[in-house]
Amino acid sequence: GESVGLHLPTLSVQEGDNSIINCAYSNSASDYFIWYKQESGKGPQFIIDIRSNMDKRQGQRVTVLLNKTVKHLSLQIAATQPGDSAVYFCAETQLYNQGGKLIFGQGTELSVKP
Amino acid sequence: SAVISQKPSRDICQRGTSLTIQCQVDSQVTMMFWYRQQPGQSLTLIATANQGSEATYESGFVIDKFPISRPNLTFSTLTVSNMSPEDSSIYLCSGSSDGGETQYFGPGTRLLVL
Repeated sequence: GESVGLHLPTLSVQEGDNSIINCAYSNSASDYFIWYKQESGKGPQFIIDIRSNMDKRQGQRVTVLLNKTVKHLSLQIAATQPGDSAVYFCAETQLYNQGGKLIFGQGTELSVKP
Repeated sequence: SAVISQKPSRDICQRGTSLTIQCQVDSQVTMMFWYRQQPGQSLTLIATANQGSEATYESGFVIDKFPISRPNLTFSTLTVSNMSPEDSSIYLCSGSSDGGETQYFGPGTRLLVL
């Protein structure tokens, strides 16, 4: 099993409901943001990204919203399924000044109840 | 999307020894990075692996402890040198072919140092 670590914020939702996972990013100069999903024992899986010149971007069942005024990012998952249970991380970078080096948020654990 | 593999997937090592982790990408990528993830925590960037030149290390990480090679556009290695129990962690490599955008991760190498 896992060793002792920080407890992640947890979001528990019912199957079929919509989920909203929030992230406060740190650098107002960041111009590119990514959401990752990490299942137990696996590496982070790319979900969706957004550039700072956009406020919203939609994928399949997922939507990312960016509010630069308050440095806030959210991931919305529609019709949440048990397979969506995982830890979700937001990441930020300055593409041109930092060459894509990602700074990760602390993560949120999503638990989907059937 | 790039598919990234890592070897070994996990290892148990004795303190004072060194371990080299390999990262292989199935296509050429311009950027490759190495991250560390403590169990239950977020990811921290160790260094940017530069092809044909020395890696660029983040604050708190040094070349003597984490030497990195990147001989071509699809392969990189990270060595964890003179290991101590504090080095027990998950080590992940990532790659991007879009100048830092759409960064994909390998499955990680789970290291336990006794």
